[in-house]
Amino acid sequence: NAGVTQTPKFQVLKTGQSMTLQCAQDMNHNSMYWYRQDPGMGLRLIYYSASEGTTDKGEVPNGYNVSRLNKREFSLRLESAAPSQTSVYFCASFPRVGETQYFGPGTRLLVL
Amino acid sequence: QKEVEQNSGPLSVPEGAIASLNCTYSDRGSQSFFWYRQYSGKSPELIMFIYSNGDKEDGRFTAQLNKASQYVSLLIRDSQPSDSATYLCAVDSNYQLIWGAGTKLIIKP
Repeated sequence: NAGVTQTPKFQVLKTGQSMTLQCAQDMNHNSMYWYRQDPGMGLRLIYYSASEGTTDKGEVPNGYNVSRLNKREFSLRLESAAPSQTSVYFCASFPRVGETQYFGPGTRLLVL
Repeated sequence: QKEVEQNSGPLSVPEGAIASLNCTYSDRGSQSFFWYRQYSGKSPELIMFIYSNGDKEDGRFTAQLNKASQYVSLLIRDSQPSDSATYLCAVDSNYQLIWGAGTKLIIKP
C-alpha cells in the first residue's frame, strides 16, 4: 500500500517548456487534488477532482490543466511554464468531502 | 473570500512545556477542522481533526473548537524537540479545504 505517489520528485524547466506531473493513489479514494505551496504561504488549490470523470478549478488554475485518467490517477500539466510556476506541488487524495486528505511527497519544480 | 488565519511565528517553546497554536476562520458553514504538521521539505501529515465544539484529545495533542467564535486551536503537552515543525490549520468549505499559512513551532531543548 504505497498511499499517494508523485513523479517526478524534482524538475527544472526552461520558460515555455511543458511538462506533466503524475499522481496516483491506491486507497480507492474518490477525490484527488493538486496544490501548490510557495514559501510563507499556505497550500493553494490548483484543480480538484471530486470523483472520477469530473474536474474543477480551484483558487489558482491559470496556466495549468488536469486529467483524471481513472479513479487512481490525476495528472497536472503545465503547457508553457513560467518562472511564477516555480513552487512545490502536492497531490492529495481523500475518500469524501470533509474527511482527511492524504498527501504525496511533492514535486519541486524550478522554472528558469 | 473564505480565509483561515494563523500567526506565522516562529513560536518558541521550552522542551516539556505546553505549545498553543491558534487558528481563526471566516466560513461559518465549515463543519470539519484539521491540524497538519509539516516538517521542512516534507509533505503535510494529519495530526488531529475535530468536527464538534469542545475538546478532542489524542495522546499529547488536544484540539479545541469554538464554532461561535470561529476559532480552533491545538495544544501540544510535554513538547519535544521532534515537535519542531510548521503546523497548518485547514477548514472545509464546500469541496475544498481552505488552508492557513502555518505557524512555525520551535521547541528549545
